[in-house]
Amino acid sequence: AQKVTQAQTEISVVEKEDVTLDCVYETRDTTYYLFWYKQPPSGELVFLIRRNSFDEQNEISGRYSWNFQKSTSSFNFTITASQVVDSAVYFCALSGLNTGGFKTIFGAGTRLFVKA
Amino acid sequence: EPEVTQTPSHQVTQMGQEVILRCVPISNHLYFYWYRQILGQKVEFLVSFYNNEISEKSEIFDDQFSVERPDGSNFTLKIRSTKLEDSAMYFCASSATGSPNEKLFFGSGTQLSVL
Repeated sequence: AQKVTQAQTEISVVEKEDVTLDCVYETRDTTYYLFWYKQPPSGELVFLIRRNSFDEQNEISGRYSWNFQKSTSSFNFTITASQVVDSAVYFCALSGLNTGGFKTIFGAGTRLFVKA
Repeated sequence: EPEVTQTPSHQVTQMGQEVILRCVPISNHLYFYWYRQILGQKVEFLVSFYNNEISEKSEIFDDQFSVERPDGSNFTLKIRSTKLEDSAMYFCASSATGSPNEKLFFGSGTQLSVL
């Protein structure tokens, strides 16, 4: 079965703090893909990043970084020097070769509040 | 960047009524999806659609739901007889190839309220 767990329901930080959003996944696929999407208060879902199961290199994009660890089935997302505009719900998602792109599975989301 | 558009942004209906939610996917995309998000909860897969057929559907997508691509641009979700528990944000998404490594492009959603 495919499953994505985001154990943190809500996180509240003060601007400029670093924050890490956790994501743990389960899959029987040997080839799979992990995603993070952002849902700002306006409601749309915005793609942030994709990783495939063969590439465990961490990735940094500006203030965002992602730590993929296959050994612990985790794909954590860190925001460095958080800003008020980072306030949103963040979803981790999974699709696999068996699942196919037809059915991307989302976690429950982590709501991030960044206070000025 | 091209975008997926959904109409209406809000829909209020009475229980038992039929509703049609409309989406215009990105023009060169071939795979279309509906997801829903009950307030404050996870984004749940409903159905995927390719080549004028349903590719996969979840257990949520029962006989009350149907999807259609009535012309070359629109993709619709119909709920035949709405229930209170159908109240949710409904997201349409599209992708070019349907490959599992491909990101989904989402619309802004239709907030459905069933009274």
